[in-house]
Amino acid sequence: GAGVSQSPSNKVTEKGKDVELRCDPISGHTALYWYRQRLGQGLEFLIYFQGNSAPDKSGLPSDRFSAERTGESVSTLTIQRTQQEDSAVYLCASSPPGQGGSYEQYFGPGTRLTVT
Amino acid sequence: QQQVKQSPQSLIVQKGGISIINCAYENTAFDYFPWYQQFPGKGPALLIAIRPDVSEKKEGRFTISFNKSAKQFSLHIMDSQPGDSATYFCAASLVSGAQKLVFGQGTRLTINP
Repeated sequence: GAGVSQSPSNKVTEKGKDVELRCDPISGHTALYWYRQRLGQGLEFLIYFQGNSAPDKSGLPSDRFSAERTGESVSTLTIQRTQQEDSAVYLCASSPPGQGGSYEQYFGPGTRLTVT
Repeated sequence: QQQVKQSPQSLIVQKGGISIINCAYENTAFDYFPWYQQFPGKGPALLIAIRPDVSEKKEGRFTISFNKSAKQFSLHIMDSQPGDSATYFCAASLVSGAQKLVFGQGTRLTINP
């Protein structure tokens, strides 16, 4: 079946511009996560959705970052007034309800964001 | 309290050898410890995971060893193959609540033929 998809795969933007990154999770997956991966680093948690609500936004680095999820499906991560330190790969992951002890998160290929 | 420390940063192993990657965590509440494998241009994919009620889990050539008292866990890849060349991440989380993963910094593994 189809995995997690993300678009665009690459985005180059100028400092100060706003960007929107999209995630299409696996159908039926109720949990959705956004992570950030800086060059040569591990993944950092940004935000968690359960359905359309976001009970954990603790990883968002500043108020320039926001995310929403609609229809318990697509999610959009928005970065306003981008800065060079926002350059990273943004990864989305989803997981199904009641995994029976698996707890696996399925990752998309990521969006590589470059702020010039 | 939330950190997971991973070593080494890079590792070169000869084909057929054993690759060993180590991780240490701080938060004793963590109760789920997965290892993810990532190839260039791809998202991470779950390789193997362990809960703290067992000290070892083996799946094919991949084994996790878990030491709860030392707050450490490691990945062993037996009979390493060139196709195993990738970046490996350890992670930790709680199985309750958000289940958000706290990742180590990653280990770039190269298997020489």
